[in-house]
Amino acid sequence: QKEVEQNSGPLSVPEGAIASLNCTYSDRGSQSFFWYRQYSGKSPELIMFIYSNGDKEDGRFTAQLNKASQYVSLLIRDSQPSDSATYLCAPESNSGYALNFGKGTSLLVTP
Amino acid sequence: GAGVSQSPSNKVTEKGKDVELRCDPISGHTALYWYRQSLGQGLEFLIYFQGNSAPDKSGLPSDRFSAERTGGSVSTLTIQRTQQEDSAVYLCASSLEAVKNIQYFGAGTRLSVL
Repeated sequence: QKEVEQNSGPLSVPEGAIASLNCTYSDRGSQSFFWYRQYSGKSPELIMFIYSNGDKEDGRFTAQLNKASQYVSLLIRDSQPSDSATYLCAPESNSGYALNFGKGTSLLVTP
Repeated sequence: GAGVSQSPSNKVTEKGKDVELRCDPISGHTALYWYRQSLGQGLEFLIYFQGNSAPDKSGLPSDRFSAERTGGSVSTLTIQRTQQEDSAVYLCASSLEAVKNIQYFGAGTRLSVL
């Protein structure tokens, strides 16, 4: 099993601040990286994916990838209380379909 | 359907009983996946279906676990002789075959083995 490491948190940020969620992975063969958001008691939903080194922006979300450092992150700008959830990092596995999920980081955005 | 549907949403069973969990994927999605999420753990891959065949069963934790898919649609995950360590949320996901990594998840079945 390839390792995917995330700080479990909780990460607490005030409303309007930038939340930074980090993930490291061990499988150098991973080419695609996915961020899922999971509200308590709900199913994971895909919010971002990134294939290339650098930054990818989508609204308030920015995914950052550094394959050399085996590091992927998710930035959430102007954090809202509705962003409070667990964020799961999921590099693609070498199977090309199964995702290797980290345990997730719990984010709490306080009003 | 509009999304991935799983049933039951909750299942409580006694140790040693068999259980069946059902997944109805998004219409048109030929790829289907089962994952397990235990308390405090990440999602653990169990099995992948390409149509009705399962080319990858490597994640099934033991021979008590089996899965099938019929008609390229509904899938059933069966756990025989359940054990307390089987207690978890079982999540099903589906995707288009061409874009396997963009997976859509159902709400899951929470299994509690007493």
